[in-house]
Amino acid sequence: ETGVTQTPRHLVMGMTNKKSLKCEQHLGHNAMYWYKQSAKKPLELMFVYNFKEQTENNSVPSRFSPECPNSSHLFLHLHTLQPEDSALYLCASSQEMGTANTQYFGPGTRLTVL
Amino acid sequence: GQNIDQPTEMTATEGAIVQINCTYQTSGFNGLFWYQQHAGEAPTFLSYNVLDGLEEKGRFSSFLSRSKGYSYLLLKELQMKDSASYLCAAMDSNYQLIWGAGTKLIIKP
Repeated sequence: ETGVTQTPRHLVMGMTNKKSLKCEQHLGHNAMYWYKQSAKKPLELMFVYNFKEQTENNSVPSRFSPECPNSSHLFLHLHTLQPEDSALYLCASSQEMGTANTQYFGPGTRLTVL
Repeated sequence: GQNIDQPTEMTATEGAIVQINCTYQTSGFNGLFWYQQHAGEAPTFLSYNVLDGLEEKGRFSSFLSRSKGYSYLLLKELQMKDSASYLCAAMDSNYQLIWGAGTKLIIKP
């Protein structure tokens, strides 16, 4: 099942680099999510887009900048990150926000900040 | 505040049965999800409960008690491929998922 794809799968970057994570969903969904997953911690919701409009920004530092050009694509732009930002970044999609729809996840990008 | 509790790690034997418990406290409630996540892979959806009772799906079953804020995932006839982390998540009144830290299940031959 490749309903939600993410690239790159692995990323190593220095604190002064700028990089972007990409997510694409092929499920015809209208809501897309970015999550951060750190070892032994609950998934942290970062951003939510519903019909291309950002509906949630859970106090995420400005060094993370999301972009949603259409309902199928979601980007996370990264700049001047800190070592504590090293984690697995997961993208998910669901039919839409505001209902009890199942979220479907991509395989994630394993990010290491040196 | 909102909170999900589940055991950090459990060990079981191949062919046996294991029950993974989850308790939740949320502002409002719109259902309880269970996901499976193998190391290095995407979380995959297992089950959704919004009404009290047991939902059976093959070797996996999920139970919900709304009055007790409690759910469990029951895995029968365990196979080695069931070694994974199991994530419990409750949906609050804003339809946001509140996640537990996951239970790492180790299956031994």
